[in-house]
Amino acid sequence: EIVLTQSPGTLSLSPGERATLSCRASQTVSSNYLAWYQQKPGQAPKLLIYDASSRAAGIPDRFSGSGSGTDFTLTISRLEPEDFALYYCQDYGTSPYTFGQGTKLEMK
Amino acid sequence: QVQLVQSGAEVKKPGASVRVSCKASGGNFKIFAINWVRQAPGQGLEWMGGIIPKFGSANYAQRFQGRVSITADESTETAYMELSSLTSEDTAVYYCGRAIDPLVVAAATVDWGQGIRVTVSS
Repeated sequence: EIVLTQSPGTLSLSPGERATLSCRASQTVSSNYLAWYQQKPGQAPKLLIYDASSRAAGIPDRFSGSGSGTDFTLTISRLEPEDFALYYCQDYGTSPYTFGQGTKLEMK
Repeated sequence: QVQLVQSGAEVKKPGASVRVSCKASGGNFKIFAINWVRQAPGQGLEWMGGIIPKFGSANYAQRFQGRVSITADESTETAYMELSSLTSEDTAVYYCGRAIDPLVVAAATVDWGQGIRVTVSS
């Protein structure tokens, strides 16, 4: 089972700033099958990025994904108030399709 | 626009089983995998398994093997997840979700149900 470690656990930033979230895998993620989700309280997760760097339909271009192998990054270029939420990465290249423990993006 | 509507909240006693449903509309149900993901209170997300309705056989996370059964009914475009031998640690919100790519379980989940709260308590 691949273990995904997200850092930092909590990120405190202000609107307009750039956010960089990290997801490190214990083994190579097959075919870079790595997704990023946003989750707000009481809501289902929302797909932002799949295949490490492809934006899902309707996702603003301030969200971008990068990385390969074992190191992946979600970047939010300029934070909007609605971006403050929990973010999870998921490996779907190797079953079981594990999630990271999450990064909480909070407003400073 | 695909919509996934899940059944209502459940309260079960330890040792019991629970069966929850996920009805799809607005898409090609047969060829897109339905995955089940759960989230315990205050915790992260956990993938349980998935099924491609057209093929009928499910892929399960090892830790749930033998205790979970995921099925799909093409005629009603509904997927089901049954979890047996419940303990308090199974108290969670259970989500169904549809894969972004056809004919593979190994895909990101793009459309999500609203979630079902399952509470296990004596």
